[in-house]
Amino acid sequence: ETGVTQTPRHLVMGMTNKKSLKCEQHLGHNAMYWYKQSAKKPLELMFVYNFKEQTENNSVPSRFSPECPNSSHLFLHLHTLQPEDSALYLCASSHAGPGYEQYFGPGTRLTVT
Amino acid sequence: QQQVKQSPQSLIVQKGGISIINCAYENTAFDYFPWYQQFPGKGPALLIAIRPDVSEKKEGRFTISFNKSAKQFSLHIMDSQPGDSATYFCAASGESGGGNKLTFGTGTQLKVEL
Repeated sequence: ETGVTQTPRHLVMGMTNKKSLKCEQHLGHNAMYWYKQSAKKPLELMFVYNFKEQTENNSVPSRFSPECPNSSHLFLHLHTLQPEDSALYLCASSHAGPGYEQYFGPGTRLTVT
Repeated sequence: QQQVKQSPQSLIVQKGGISIINCAYENTAFDYFPWYQQFPGKGPALLIAIRPDVSEKKEGRFTISFNKSAKQFSLHIMDSQPGDSATYFCAASGESGGGNKLTFGTGTQLKVEL
């Protein structure tokens, strides 16, 4: 596997379910990101991790809980989501610091019923 | 202050024509301006990027024009091809404007017709 991989690619969950999204990067990067992509809206940065430490939480509701056990893996734990949380969730990685290219995974298409 | 405004929302261009997408920003601390290209079912991928010390950067058929005083930058795709049909996002970041935090525009859906 190369680049940034995300699993699952598609997820349908009820509002009372608990699920997790997984991201893995094989690029030797030390910064990882979660973005939310909704139709007709800019990509919304959710969380940033630099060297496994969370450095940015963009006012994300607590029903989204990130976890970064090491520089290669990033999780997004989901619980009691709302229908408006349905979106494409993208993971990205880069070298830490400004001005580095961010490499995106293919995303997880999440539908909350 | 963190917004990046992008236009148009959608664009149809004939094969061989020039596609132009514009972006404007407010935060003067931004100093890195990438453009990303996204195909259906894929994540965005970096296309080309510019820093404000130059007014233009060209890579193949893709050119970024940058106007620091107007706080605007644009993507020009010369000789547009059907394979260029995708969604294009401008973005901005800066060491003091959020480090490695990218602020994205809303995207432009480009369709290149034969």
